[in-house]
Amino acid sequence: DTGVSQNPRHKITKRGQNVTFRCDPISEHNRLYWYRQTLGQGPEFLTYFQNEAQLEKSRLLSDRFSAERPKGSFSTLEIQRTEQGDSAMYLCAVPHTGGSSGANVLTFGAGSRLTVL
Amino acid sequence: GDSVTQMEGPVTLSEEAFLTINCTYTATGYPSLFWYVQYPGEGLQLLLKATKADDKGSNKGFEATYRKETTSFHLEKGSVQVSDSAVYFCALSGVANDYKLSFGAGTTVTVRA
Repeated sequence: DTGVSQNPRHKITKRGQNVTFRCDPISEHNRLYWYRQTLGQGPEFLTYFQNEAQLEKSRLLSDRFSAERPKGSFSTLEIQRTEQGDSAMYLCAVPHTGGSSGANVLTFGAGSRLTVL
Repeated sequence: GDSVTQMEGPVTLSEEAFLTINCTYTATGYPSLFWYVQYPGEGLQLLLKATKADDKGSNKGFEATYRKETTSFHLEKGSVQVSDSAVYFCALSGVANDYKLSFGAGTTVTVRA
């Protein structure tokens, strides 16, 4: 149990279709982050929320991407008119709590893998 | 901007061999440095971290020392096991960026029995 649940775990779609991913942190967190990981690369920051407010968006987040966190708990990431280049693992993360890890540590979900045919 | 460069893989080792994965970084100020690990079929997990120069992070037999003079954070383990087979990512968090991490490309490590 990573503390962050992501659904669906794997989505296969045809080019041009819309897809939506959901992230559910198990406990309350003010901040929530989305990252994208393409094959053979490390995760890249996409966007983050402070409660309901989306405070920063990477230039990687084109206007086909929209993320929301309506109640400051779960979050959704929607991709409209998918392209093959959108194929990647989409990761959700929240600040780590408990233990002695300290600041700046993120707890990641297992991710949602998108395959665009 | 902030960036991380880590040793390319894949790396294949025999059990009980010594493992080193090189990581260097570019950042302004004094970033926090991390190693994350991704085991097959699992999500990213923090392996160890260091928040200031000369700090040594350690966990599960792995160690890495924050070297400001060489802007490096190399990961080492003296005797690897098959269960250490995974992808290892070096990452940093700049002072101003809080939890926004910059990751290296990852190094795939395979340990053979």
